[in-house]
Amino acid sequence: QQPVQSPQAVILREGEDAVINCSSSKALYSVHWYRQKHGEAPVFLMILLKGGEQKGHEKISASFNEKKQQSSLYLTASQLSYSGTYFCGTLGGTTDSWGKLQFGAGTQVVVTP
Amino acid sequence: GAGVSQSPSNKVTEKGKDVELRCDPISGHTALYWYRQSLGQGLEFLIYFQGNSAPDKSGLPSDRFSAERTGGSVSTLTIQRTQQEDSAVYLCASSKLAGGEQFFGPGTRLTVL
Repeated sequence: QQPVQSPQAVILREGEDAVINCSSSKALYSVHWYRQKHGEAPVFLMILLKGGEQKGHEKISASFNEKKQQSSLYLTASQLSYSGTYFCGTLGGTTDSWGKLQFGAGTQVVVTP
Repeated sequence: GAGVSQSPSNKVTEKGKDVELRCDPISGHTALYWYRQSLGQGLEFLIYFQGNSAPDKSGLPSDRFSAERTGGSVSTLTIQRTQQEDSAVYLCASSKLAGGEQFFGPGTRLTVL
C-alpha cells in the first residue's frame, strides 16, 4: 500500500523549519526520500534502513521509527533551494517485489524570501 | 558520468496510435523502473525489471501497456491504441542494486490528442 505523507503542502519563510511525515501500515525495511523541483525529475536525498541511524543531507535530516513504521524529514533553517515536492518511498513486506518502492503522494514545500 | 537518458523528450500523438518510449539506464545498474506522473500528481509505479528475473508488471494500468528490457540494459515502454488519459510524463529510473538509490531520467512528456 501507498504510504501516507503529511502535510500535503507547507509554506515557509527562509530560515524556518518544517517536518514532513511518512507513515506506512506495514512493516518497513527502508524509507527513501526524494525531492522534485518543478519541471525536473526526482532527485535522491537519502535512504534510512531498518536499524540504521538518522541521516542528513545539508541541513535536511530524517529519522525512521521502525516500531511505528514512520519516517520524518526535517528541513532546518530552510533555504530557497529547498522548494519542491518531497516524496517518500517505502520498501518492505513480502507481498511486494524486492526493490519496488511504494511512493507517497508527495508534500509540496514552498520557501519564500 | 552519463545518467539515465530517455527518448523522445516530448511526444505528441493522436488517439488510437501506438507509441514507444525508450530508456537507457546507467551502465551496470541491474534494476530499472518505469513510473507515470500526471500533472501535479505523484509517482505511479508501472513496471520493474531486476536482473534476469521476471518483471513485476503489477502497475501496468491495462493490457495496452507493455515493456521489455533487452540485454539487461535498454528498456522500451509501449502503449498501444493510446487514449487521452494516457497523457502524462513517463519517468524511467535505474538503481545499481534492488532497493538502492534510484536515479531518474528526465522523462518523456506524452500528449495524446
